[in-house]
Amino acid sequence: KAGVTQTPRYLIKTRGQQVTLSCSPISGHRSVSWYQQTPGQGLQFLFEYFSETQRNKGNFPGRFSGRQFSNSRSEMNVSTLELGDSALYLCASSKEAGGLWGEQFFGPGTRLTVL
Amino acid sequence: GENVEQHPSTLSVQEGDSAVIKCTYSDSASNYFPWYKQELGKRPQLIIDIRSNVGEKKDQRIAVTLNKTAKHFSLHITETQPEDSAVYFCAASAEGYSTLTFGKGTMLLVSP
Repeated sequence: KAGVTQTPRYLIKTRGQQVTLSCSPISGHRSVSWYQQTPGQGLQFLFEYFSETQRNKGNFPGRFSGRQFSNSRSEMNVSTLELGDSALYLCASSKEAGGLWGEQFFGPGTRLTVL
Repeated sequence: GENVEQHPSTLSVQEGDSAVIKCTYSDSASNYFPWYKQELGKRPQLIIDIRSNVGEKKDQRIAVTLNKTAKHFSLHITETQPEDSAVYFCAASAEGYSTLTFGKGTMLLVSP
């Protein structure tokens, strides 16, 4: 079974631009979560999508948004990029079994550098 | 919301020693506690997890203990090996939610 994939793997943007990142979950996984990883703050939760609906949202400004498609693939968008948005963006997918959520499987991440 | 504190931030041990990483959480509704290992340049991977109806869980050299009353859980690695060197993250989530709140990570260095 293929793992979680993310594209692109690396991005370089300049301040003020916008960026779209993509995540394809493991087949059969309907939940996709996004995390921002930085050396100082660790892994911070951005948002989670399930069945094309945003179920949870972390404490990030409105410049960060996302969506999920009917095939469970997800995208996140960051508008008006700031230098502080430079980070590794990880997505993770999981599935429910017996009312409990199982392991979150992470993708390789997209390394975003804002100049 | 949930807050997870993790200590220490760095841990250096000699090969063969034991390593212990501790986490505390704030939300009494949390009942799922996974631990992830992230090697340099790689994605986080689950190494062990525990649910609140269990106090301890072991998997070979790795064990996790949970104290719900005190709201803390710990990762224990015995007979450490150089390949155990990585950043370890603890996390917590509540029943019915797949969202994880992570601690800030512990960099474990195992010297031969």
